Amino acid sequence: DAKTTQPPSMDCAEGRAANLPCNHSTISGNEYVYWYRQIHSQGPQYIIHGLKNNETNEMASLIITEDRKSSTLILPHATLRDTAVYYCIASSGSARQLTFGSGTQLTVLP
Amino acid sequence: DTAVSQTPKYLVTQMGNDKSIKCEQNLGHDTMYWYKQDSKKFLKIMFSYNNKELIINETVPNRFSPKSPDKAHLNLHINSLELGDSAVYFCASSQKTGGSGNTIYFGEGSWLTVV
Repeated sequence: DAKTTQPPSMDCAEGRAANLPCNHSTISGNEYVYWYRQIHSQGPQYIIHGLKNNETNEMASLIITEDRKSSTLILPHATLRDTAVYYCIASSGSARQLTFGSGTQLTVLP
Repeated sequence: DTAVSQTPKYLVTQMGNDKSIKCEQNLGHDTMYWYKQDSKKFLKIMFSYNNKELIINETVPNRFSPKSPDKAHLNLHINSLELGDSAVYFCASSQKTGGSGNTIYFGEGSWLTVV
């Protein structure tokens, strides 16, 4: 599995865009970048995933660099309810590879 | 409606006891999982079942025995509980076992405390 590196914590003002970086310099060609988040005392929640192209859904956008060694999750208009731990995972989709590391604690400030 | 539901949410029990955590998914998925989240918040897979058949067993002590009566249910039975079993256990499900877009849906977690 490709190891991912994320900053341990970030703050973001409510209503502003939250940009969460992730490094995955050893990602292999068949591994996708997945993002999940875990709000306190809840189960992890899927956000988005991508392989090469940038992706967007109703929750977020995912920007993957051309060399695929890093990516950024963008929450366009962060709300207080987006305060959570965000996990970046590089995986071919196998559940065995979905081992969540320490993630980034995003705190959205009023 | 809760997609993946697990009970109980909280469980406090003494060492040596046997306990079960139940899980049900109403998403029509073929694959179900049990994950364990430790005190450092690392979430690791324990078991995976596909259509009631065990496909992943990640070196979990045999005191832990999953049982899948049908593809919508995956229960976790733990014998002779030890202090180190204290953790949050998450049930999850997905449409398939791997590959592109294998989104995994998690339950709310079961907080197990062994005293």
